[in-house]
Amino acid sequence: SQTIHQWPATLVQPVGSPLSLECTVEGTSNPNLYWYRQAAGRGLQLLFYSVGIGQISSEVPQNLSASRPQDRQFILSSKKLLLSDSGFYLCAWSVRGRVSGNTIYFGEGSWLTVV
Amino acid sequence: GDSVTQMEGPVTLSEEAFLTINCTYTATGYPSLFWYVQYPGEGLQLLLKATKADDKGSNKGFEATYRKETTSFHLEKGSVQVSDSAVYFCALSDYNGGSQGNLIFGKGTKLSVKP
Repeated sequence: SQTIHQWPATLVQPVGSPLSLECTVEGTSNPNLYWYRQAAGRGLQLLFYSVGIGQISSEVPQNLSASRPQDRQFILSSKKLLLSDSGFYLCAWSVRGRVSGNTIYFGEGSWLTVV
Repeated sequence: GDSVTQMEGPVTLSEEAFLTINCTYTATGYPSLFWYVQYPGEGLQLLLKATKADDKGSNKGFEATYRKETTSFHLEKGSVQVSDSAVYFCALSDYNGGSQGNLIFGKGTKLSVKP
């Protein structure tokens, strides 16, 4: 069966420090991969999605970036964190391709507090 | 563009009460519709989905019917339990419309069930 893991689960970072959140998927090949952010009172926002190695689409302008160095690895980064980057970050995957009703499966999430 | 609107929370119910969480959508194509649930401190889990008009998704006693005429996908449960306390997200994916298959979420509705 397929599994998705992301880490770290919780981190507290000072303003201006770098960020790296990692996500890996097991049990499937060529998945679509996603990073979402859930900020307090603001619902879920899609940040990045990827349909293949090195292919990243950004949904919103921000000081975050994403990379996909391997087929089942997705990394969310920042060079300098802002207070507004605080939130709950969720990695997710789905089956590759334009499939009606394609379900997106989420990881456990990472709580980021920027202080 | 595509969007999802769900009722504002929080919703507080007594155990065994009837639950309805309203969800309406706007889409340019023919979307698939989803309900996800987020238990405290966890990531999102798929609760149910429907891929075409008049389909009914169901799981764990929850149901939702895809109503194209009213562009709605309301979540219902006949008798809630304390363990149903969570945040519920309505979402759509629309390969033929603006979201390109990515999930567009509502803002979430927090449900608290009291014993």
